[in-house]
Amino acid sequence: LAKTTQPISMDSYEGQEVNITCSHNNIATNDYITWYQQFPSQGPRFIIQGYKTKVTNEVASLFIPADRKSSTLSLPRVSLSDTAVYYCLVGDGGSYIPTFGRGTSLIVHP
Amino acid sequence: DSGVTQTPKHLITATGQRVTLRCSPRSGDLSVYWYQQSLDQGLQFLIQYYNGEERAKGNILERFSAQQFPDLHSELNLSSLELGDSALYFCASSVQGLTNTDTQYFGPGTRLTVL
Repeated sequence: LAKTTQPISMDSYEGQEVNITCSHNNIATNDYITWYQQFPSQGPRFIIQGYKTKVTNEVASLFIPADRKSSTLSLPRVSLSDTAVYYCLVGDGGSYIPTFGRGTSLIVHP
Repeated sequence: DSGVTQTPKHLITATGQRVTLRCSPRSGDLSVYWYQQSLDQGLQFLIQYYNGEERAKGNILERFSAQQFPDLHSELNLSSLELGDSALYFCASSVQGLTNTDTQYFGPGTRLTVL
């Protein structure tokens, strides 16, 4: 069962780039890496997904090194509205148990 | 709006009671997931159904049960409620229910308070 490790919290300021790294040392060959964002009292929302190298969409970029044992979510030029909890979700190698972990609480300051 | 609906939005009940939470997945999604989120436990996976069949089971208590109906909506039944069951309960849906590739779309949640 792939387990993920993320920093518990991070602080940033408006306009800065934020990078949140997730460790998943036991990731399986067929596992994808997915990131979700959650605002207080709301359900998590999909941000981005990748398998290897780099993926970019209109919201974020996801960097995955060749060994795939970690991944980094990059949020360009954050604003106050990016204050949320960010979860890294890794496939479980086939057992279908989604493990979100505690996530990273990002606070963006003015 | 994710397209996933959950009712009720809030529920207040007493210890020992039984409640039913309801979830309607996005149109076309065959898989439904249930999660519990409390302040001290984070987002905990409870159970998943795919096209009416149970696919995966997480840390779901024996007092809790769920099912997915032919029209694909799902219900989570919580019985013999305890104070510690107070939490946000989320439902999510996905197209197929393959954990390592499917995007999960979450509903707004049901906030359960047990007094």
